[in-house]
Amino acid sequence: DQQVKQNSPSLSVQEGRISILNCDYTNSMFDYFLWYKKYPAEGPTFLISISSIKDKNEDGRFTVFLNKSAKHLSLHIVPSQPGDSAVYFCAASATGNNRKLIWGLGTSLAVNP
Amino acid sequence: GAGVSQSPSNKVTEKGKDVELRCDPISGHTALYWYRQSLGQGLEFLIYFQGNSAPDKSGLPSDRFSAERTGGSVSTLTIQRTQQEDSAVYLCASRPASAQETQYFGPGTRLLVL
Repeated sequence: DQQVKQNSPSLSVQEGRISILNCDYTNSMFDYFLWYKKYPAEGPTFLISISSIKDKNEDGRFTVFLNKSAKHLSLHIVPSQPGDSAVYFCAASATGNNRKLIWGLGTSLAVNP
Repeated sequence: GAGVSQSPSNKVTEKGKDVELRCDPISGHTALYWYRQSLGQGLEFLIYFQGNSAPDKSGLPSDRFSAERTGGSVSTLTIQRTQQEDSAVYLCASRPASAQETQYFGPGTRLLVL
């Protein structure tokens, strides 16, 4: 079963607007969540993370929101830029599980000029 | 500084042959992970190394897969008697002791088994 779900395979946004990428999880033991960005033929690049003790973490144009009761997190990119076009992966890890990352299937974001 | 490096970047092999994939983690990173991404699938955990502790091999899909980490640095993932379903991108990641959660990835090895 998929413990981390990204239900939107793709998203298209106009340059300058907000991009919102969503992620749901089922395992209540997860206590750390990460977003990675991936370009074709490259490895995932770490973008931003959030601990379960927080509900928001911001880094420049990127903000991650965590709703523990709903087991839902989202990544907001404001303003979106064409260079943000990539596949975004949500990943989660749990204490005591060697911090192995459990991944969603990714959302392909296209930011149109 | 240098990131995680992996070699080869691409590997094409025939079914039944053995392959060896290499990962050089970021210097000083204590933990090393192997993942793979098959076509149309998400990334899946394979194996984890931390210092001199016994590795967590719980993600290895069969006994044809093995990995070692020599001297707490370089790691090799070996796949024996490759099958077509082994075709995937094999990714290595490392993390420092000071940041227990964030893993940094190499570019991957794209393996194609014909």
